[in-house]
Amino acid sequence: DAGITQSPRHKVTETGTPVTLRCHQTENHRYMYWYRQDPGHGLRLIHYSYGVKDTDKGEVSDGYSVSRSKTEDFLLTLESATSSQTSVYFCAISESGREIEQFFGPGTRLTVL
Amino acid sequence: AQTVTQSQPEMSVQEAETVTLSCTYDTSESDYYLFWYKQPPSRQMILVIRQEAYKQQNATENRFSVNFQKAAKSFSLKISDSQLGDAAMYFCAYSEGTGTASKLTFGTGTRLQVTL
Repeated sequence: DAGITQSPRHKVTETGTPVTLRCHQTENHRYMYWYRQDPGHGLRLIHYSYGVKDTDKGEVSDGYSVSRSKTEDFLLTLESATSSQTSVYFCAISESGREIEQFFGPGTRLTVL
Repeated sequence: AQTVTQSQPEMSVQEAETVTLSCTYDTSESDYYLFWYKQPPSRQMILVIRQEAYKQQNATENRFSVNFQKAAKSFSLKISDSQLGDAAMYFCAYSEGTGTASKLTFGTGTRLQVTL
């Protein structure tokens, strides 16, 4: 299995509070992605990174920011969490030359009350 | 924008039987990739099979095979000799060519139930 961990695995927070989710990889892969999974929507891309300090928006980026200061870590931040951001968040990685093969982390369940 | 449609929210199959899950997609690109992912109750996303659009031959992985109809933009998954462990959500996904970040577009999923 690809070495991808996500922390925390579960989090409950209140509306208006900032939240940061962490994705950590030990594979030294170039590309990292954040998706959210909601019933009736499948997985949707939030942001992705194509290198250290290089990030871009995905389909549902409003309300989210990301940072990647090291190859192994990709952080997803909700500046002011809202109930609509209650979801399961998945991190994925892929390597240069085999970009289409994405490996997923175990997911983080976030509940915003 | 590319879209992926799975019109079967739920399917059921008896153990040892064969089931086919449907997927259609919309794109104007000629170079792309299609995938089926399995998500068991553990929530882990597992790649089942993938198909390169430039390949005419349908992909096969053990009991899993696809029927790729490029002109019809159809990509169905056939599971043969179904097993209890096949019970899961199955997602069809689309991605464009390599050389850059591979941004997956997913369908809404089909929940597969396997009965004795």
